[in-house]
Amino acid sequence: DQQVKQNSPSLSVQEGRISILNCDYTNSMFDYFLWYKKYPAEGPTFLISISSIKDKNEDGRFTVFLNKSAKHLSLHIVPSQPGDSAVYFCAASSGGKLIFGQGTELSVKP
Amino acid sequence: DAGVTQSPTHLIKTRGQQVTLRCSPISGHKSVSWYQQVLGQGPQFIFQYYEKEERGRGNFPDRFSARQFPNYSSELNVNALLLGDSALYLCASRYADWDYTEAFFGQGTRLTVV
Repeated sequence: DQQVKQNSPSLSVQEGRISILNCDYTNSMFDYFLWYKKYPAEGPTFLISISSIKDKNEDGRFTVFLNKSAKHLSLHIVPSQPGDSAVYFCAASSGGKLIFGQGTELSVKP
Repeated sequence: DAGVTQSPTHLIKTRGQQVTLRCSPISGHKSVSWYQQVLGQGPQFIFQYYEKEERGRGNFPDRFSARQFPNYSSELNVNALLLGDSALYLCASRYADWDYTEAFFGQGTRLTVV
């Protein structure tokens, strides 16, 4: 039972354009979400979070949108840079534990 | 500031052996959680400890156990290793066990069971 899903295993974007990574969840009780970036052979790095009382949170080039009615969140990266190439995980925080999606591998081409 | 540190970074063990992985959280953080990540999947929750007490356990067999020490560092033990235990084991540090706090991860321990 996959409670957090990232249905796109990979995404390729041109440098300077927008990257949009999507995430769906099934449990309407989730009320705090986080995005992590992961390079090979490293642990996940925290990027940005959002609580369910908001529908948008912005930090520099990264913006997370939350649509509670659709149980959907997305991460926008503008402008995309080659250094953004990594695997991105969304996670829901529930009872102190994180429930992760499968990840989306982003490739930003120069 | 030191981040979350895990040791060792890599480990090769034989089936049936036992392994102990170690984690030191960020200074001031009292919650430590353990995750297993296999290739192509997101991290899966194993254990959560807060103030030396177990606060949560994921869907893992009893061969997996953990503890947290008074200095908030933690150990994850896996007994009777199976080939399927080969994975990246991640430790996450949080200030508290509330949902509304960010979790910060160590670089992980890559365990290979042969």
